[in-house]
Amino acid sequence: DVKVTQSSRYLVKRTGEKVFLECVQDMDHENMFWYRQDPGLGLRLIYFSYDVKMKEKGDIPEGYSVSREKKERFSLILESASTNQTSMYLCASSFSQGKYFGPGTRLTVT
Amino acid sequence: GENVEQHPSTLSVQEGDSAVIKCTYSDSASNYFPWYKQELGKRPQLIIDIRSNVGEKKDQRIAVTLNKTAKHFSLHITETQPEDSAVYFCAASGGVSNAGKSTFGDGTTLTVKP
Repeated sequence: DVKVTQSSRYLVKRTGEKVFLECVQDMDHENMFWYRQDPGLGLRLIYFSYDVKMKEKGDIPEGYSVSREKKERFSLILESASTNQTSMYLCASSFSQGKYFGPGTRLTVT
Repeated sequence: GENVEQHPSTLSVQEGDSAVIKCTYSDSASNYFPWYKQELGKRPQLIIDIRSNVGEKKDQRIAVTLNKTAKHFSLHITETQPEDSAVYFCAASGGVSNAGKSTFGDGTTLTVKP
């Protein structure tokens, strides 16, 4: 059974702080993804990675960066958090096509 | 890039009735179409998928149909139950324009009234 875990379920940060969200999967999946989910806007792709040290921008990469130093771990970094980055962040991994999602991190930036 | 439109945004049915959610996509090269169910406060979970070489796929009370010519696909839930209440997302991927990453629809909130 695939397990995708995220470092925090809830996070509160102040404007301007550097924020790290971590995602770990235990199924040796090549592909990992970071989405944000906002009401009425569905799931929007921030960044994805097909392999270690490899990353590609998604649809809304501005204000975010990522790191993938190990196959099982994919980190999302908010360099300087802003209030408009308050959202639910979902990590996912996949082997071929179907995605397995983590439980999500609800980030509030005040 | 790929564009996926999903309708309706909300759907309310009586328990036992059928529910149908429709999605259209723009990239004719897309070849994989999954559906995800997200219950309140939980993560999205893959419930069924279809590839472009198949026209229909069934799994108990849920089925997905694909019309490649018209570039649309649909989720059908029969004999709905209150536990089917959730947000359902369609997605499309595999086209040249998105290199394997999925483009999601905006979601349909399904409410099944007992």
